[in-house]
Amino acid sequence: SQKIEQNSEALNIQEGKTATLTCNYTNYSPAYLQWYRQDPGRGPVFLLLIRENEKEKRKERLKVTFDTTLKQSLFHITASQPADSATYLCATHNFNKFYFGSGTKLNVKP
Amino acid sequence: KAGVTQTPRYLIKTRGQQVTLSCSPISGHRSVSWYQQTPGQGLQFLFEYFSETQRNKGNFPGRFSGRQFSNSRSEMNVSTLELGDSALYLCASTPGLQLYEQFFGPGTRLTVL
Repeated sequence: SQKIEQNSEALNIQEGKTATLTCNYTNYSPAYLQWYRQDPGRGPVFLLLIRENEKEKRKERLKVTFDTTLKQSLFHITASQPADSATYLCATHNFNKFYFGSGTKLNVKP
Repeated sequence: KAGVTQTPRYLIKTRGQQVTLSCSPISGHRSVSWYQQTPGQGLQFLFEYFSETQRNKGNFPGRFSGRQFSNSRSEMNVSTLELGDSALYLCASTPGLQLYEQFFGPGTRLTVL
């Protein structure tokens, strides 16, 4: 089965800087990867999807890259704000089953 | 459109009891997936239903079961509760033909004493 790995250590950055989160997958290359945001006590919220034939995807201050050679996706938040503080989850799916990473907690300090 | 709703939001049970959780998907969505989320294991896939049929199942014991009704609402049942079943149970819905963006509910926080 697919395995999704994210850095379990929290990422602490200063407001205004760019946050970069990493998602690595094992086994087969997924058709796409998704990124979700989760706030404490709430369900994840979808942010971005990137397909395997796309190198990069952008949405406002968010940017996602997909490197099938490295088996890795990077998630960037530019000009980060304290309101961006949350846990960010990477996910993919295979045969109607979703696989999620354990998430990386981002702390943006003012 | 109203989002995914889950009831109840909080639940306290004792070991050996059983529990039923409910999920109402977004109107028009035919697929409902269930997840268990714990601090140690992260988000773990339980099962997915589409048009009242279980399409896929994760690696959980048979104590965990589910069903989906004709209106796409879904229920999840856990029998003979164990302390380790304490978790946030999330359901997510999608239109169903392909599993792309999932819309999650707020979750049910289950505590087993």
